[in-house]
Amino acid sequence: GEDVEQSLFLSVREGDSSVINCTYTDSSSTYLYWYKQEPGAGLQLLTYIFSNMDMKQDQRLTVLLNKKDKHLSLRIADTQTGDSAIYFCAEIPIGNQGGKLIFGQGTELSVKP
Amino acid sequence: ETGVTQTPRHLVMGMTNKKSLKCEQHLGHNAMYWYKQSAKKPLELMFVYSLEERVENNSVPSRFSPECPNSSHLFLHLHTLQPEDSALYLCASSLSDGELFFGEGSRLTVL
Repeated sequence: GEDVEQSLFLSVREGDSSVINCTYTDSSSTYLYWYKQEPGAGLQLLTYIFSNMDMKQDQRLTVLLNKKDKHLSLRIADTQTGDSAIYFCAEIPIGNQGGKLIFGQGTELSVKP
Repeated sequence: ETGVTQTPRHLVMGMTNKKSLKCEQHLGHNAMYWYKQSAKKPLELMFVYSLEERVENNSVPSRFSPECPNSSHLFLHLHTLQPEDSALYLCASSLSDGELFFGEGSRLTVL
């Protein structure tokens, strides 16, 4: 079945890099997403990557995709206290109708000053 | 501000109450969704409406009843809920297969 897995917690110090990992099961997914949820708020799309890409960089964010291992990671450089949030990995497997994202449980990132 | 507004933000209700959650979007999207977010669980898709017609139910208990009167408004009617239904209920909208825009959620507590 379709499943997306993430570790639940990550704690880093301000200024360090954070790496949030995700594994997914459907190798036919065309898009893979990272959403960010700040305390008391809904989810906001942070970045996404097409399945034909290995890497995408956007300022402090780097997304790496290993299709062979079905592994997706999000690296945040120079992590700030404002990056503290829950980060969700999500995929849209082939055959799913539009918008039916399959989400992981979310990784809670805690940034210590 | 994502353009998707949910009310109320917080709701406390007893198991015998009837209440409704409301979601509104003016982004011109043609699909709307209800998700349930429980602690340490993946987001659960509850309902999808595309062009105002329900296309996905996902075997949600009948004590949750969605209503989509038009492409801008979505409701989730709640009746005889259980304490385990306490969660954050997130509304989202999209344009066909495009990205999801989420509201800030309605935090529901069932006593």
